[in-house]
Amino acid sequence: GAVVSQHPSRVICKSGTSVKIECRSLDFQATTMFWYRQFPKQSLMLMATSNEGSKATYEQGVEKDKFLINHASLTLSTLTVTSAHPEDSSFYICSASGGGAGDTQYFGPGTRLTVL
Amino acid sequence: AQSVTQLGSHVSVSEGALVLLRCNYSSSVPPYLFWYVQYPNQGLQLLLKYTTGATLVKGINGFEAEFKKSETSFHLTKPSAHMSDAAEYFCAVRANNNDMRFGAGTRLTVKP
Repeated sequence: GAVVSQHPSRVICKSGTSVKIECRSLDFQATTMFWYRQFPKQSLMLMATSNEGSKATYEQGVEKDKFLINHASLTLSTLTVTSAHPEDSSFYICSASGGGAGDTQYFGPGTRLTVL
Repeated sequence: AQSVTQLGSHVSVSEGALVLLRCNYSSSVPPYLFWYVQYPNQGLQLLLKYTTGATLVKGINGFEAEFKKSETSFHLTKPSAHMSDAAEYFCAVRANNNDMRFGAGTRLTVKP
């Protein structure tokens, strides 16, 4: 099956700093990548959808200036949490679809962000 | 817009017993339906999906689900639970775009 990786798997940062999370499709070209946020014991909430080479589409209530998404190539998307605060602590999961993966979204292993 | 309701946030079964996780959906167009499994501190793994065609879908690890349009349901079943099946299970629906909506999840516990 299609493989999606995320890096880092876990990050701890100080309040006010910025954190970048990478999402890579390892064996297919992802025309579309998705970023989700998951709070403990809750479901996934879609934050934004990005298509390669174009600006991301953010869900209502998600601050685009705080959560910067770049999808510069068909295998890489990045999420940068700017000026992180403790309330941004969460599990961030990306998924990818397109190319050989078709319409199905394949998920990365997630990144646990803790902001002190 | 589409949505998913998973009945039961927590299901507990004995090892070897039938697993039944319930999912009902709402969609204004013919839906694509998915079941994903999530182990602690990991991403989601696709168990199975329904797009078109046969309404009984077989997935990995012995799981299967049946699409019932009349009941707007897509329940997940497995004849015999294993300890390794203990995890969080998410049902999801997608319309004819990339917009996927997830249910709240059901935590499956398997007792020895």
